[in-house]
Amino acid sequence: EPEVTQTPSHQVTQMGQEVILRCVPISNHLYFYWYRQILGQKVEFLVSFYNNEISEKSEIFDDQFSVERPDGSNFTLKIRSTKLEDSAMYFCASQGLASTGELFFGEGSRLTVL
Amino acid sequence: AQSVSQHNHHVILSEAASLELGCNYSYGGTVNLFWYVQYPGQHLQLLLKYFSGDPLVKGIKGFEAEFIKSKFSFNLRKPSVQWSDTAEYFCAVIRSGGYQKVTFGTGTKLQVIP
Repeated sequence: EPEVTQTPSHQVTQMGQEVILRCVPISNHLYFYWYRQILGQKVEFLVSFYNNEISEKSEIFDDQFSVERPDGSNFTLKIRSTKLEDSAMYFCASQGLASTGELFFGEGSRLTVL
Repeated sequence: AQSVSQHNHHVILSEAASLELGCNYSYGGTVNLFWYVQYPGQHLQLLLKYFSGDPLVKGIKGFEAEFIKSKFSFNLRKPSVQWSDTAEYFCAVIRSGGYQKVTFGTGTKLQVIP
């Protein structure tokens, strides 16, 4: 069964450092998402991406965040200058036909900012 | 914008007890509804989904959910829980038609005691 893969599974970084989280969505999917889950809290929408541009972003997704699909397969989330409160599990998801709505999630990348 | 409410934040049950987790959404139009499960240390997995047709939807591992449009509800049920059902359960909604992002509820932690 096709799956979404994410790397790294866990990254520890110092505050102020840049982090790139990588995702390989399911190959024939069209819509891509990043969600975040701070420990013990709900799953929060960060950003959606379609046709090589951001479709929608939440208020969490400020200027320190960016996404891109550099090579047609990878879908990356960059956090430019990490803060302590960026520590969370970051989930990538992809979605095929929009009418079905089902998201397929990766296993997540745990980011710990010290 | 749509929103999702899960009223039970933490539920503790003994094995073989019956389970019902509440989910209500706010959006007047047509929606697709999902329940996702997150086992300890794992990623989000789809449990079941409703798009149209029979409002009683059966999912994996003996779970089912009933869509009641008049009540804007999509409650999750299982007649007899097992210890292995210990997990966090997230209700999610997406507006039908075209691209729309998925909105998650705050989640319900289920703890099943052997």
